[in-house]
Amino acid sequence: EAGVTQFPSHSVIEKGQTVTLRCDPISGHDNLYWYRRVMGKEIKFLLHFVKESKQDESGMPNNRFLAERTGGTYSTLKVQPAELEDSGVYFCASSGYSLLSYNEQFFGPGTRLTVL
Amino acid sequence: DAKTTQPPSMDCAEGRAANLPCNHSTISGNEYVYWYRQIHSQGPQYIIHGLKNNETNEMASLIITEDRKSSTLILPHATLRDTAVYYCIVSLSGGYQKVTFGTGTKLQVIP
Repeated sequence: EAGVTQFPSHSVIEKGQTVTLRCDPISGHDNLYWYRRVMGKEIKFLLHFVKESKQDESGMPNNRFLAERTGGTYSTLKVQPAELEDSGVYFCASSGYSLLSYNEQFFGPGTRLTVL
Repeated sequence: DAKTTQPPSMDCAEGRAANLPCNHSTISGNEYVYWYRQIHSQGPQYIIHGLKNNETNEMASLIITEDRKSSTLILPHATLRDTAVYYCIVSLSGGYQKVTFGTGTKLQVIP
């Protein structure tokens, strides 16, 4: 079974440009999460989708970040316009849903974003 | 969520057991202890979780004290591939909760 995949693996853009990150969760997982680690800091939660709905977007830093999950499958995270402080590694995770067990989150390998 | 305290780093000889401690003195009765790890340049990986009883799976064992104020993650036979940052997290049950990572413990397995 394929794991969580993310594209691209690396992205280098200039300040002010737009970048779109993509995440493909494990097939059948309704829950999809975005996290990021900026340089020297801890991994921080950004937002959580349940299917196509935003369940919790309390971690989104500002309105330059837009996440979508049309159709409840893959998700995109757009940064527009990108700023220097947006540089870091963006992780996506997915989990299933069961009332009987812990729904561990499966993480993708991350997208390393560098804003120059 | 309750706060956790972990040592910033630890070393372990290859083949020996690695015992990673975590303090969570403010844990509430319905909060679980979870462990994740992040191997360099990879995404975080779930290891194990528990509420009151000790737990074991193919990766590790989790020992939770009777008062639940601390726990220990045990990797019984550490290998070089276990070198990673290990995160102890306390949270309500339900894997559809966000994971709140702290600073973790950097475990270095030494040949």
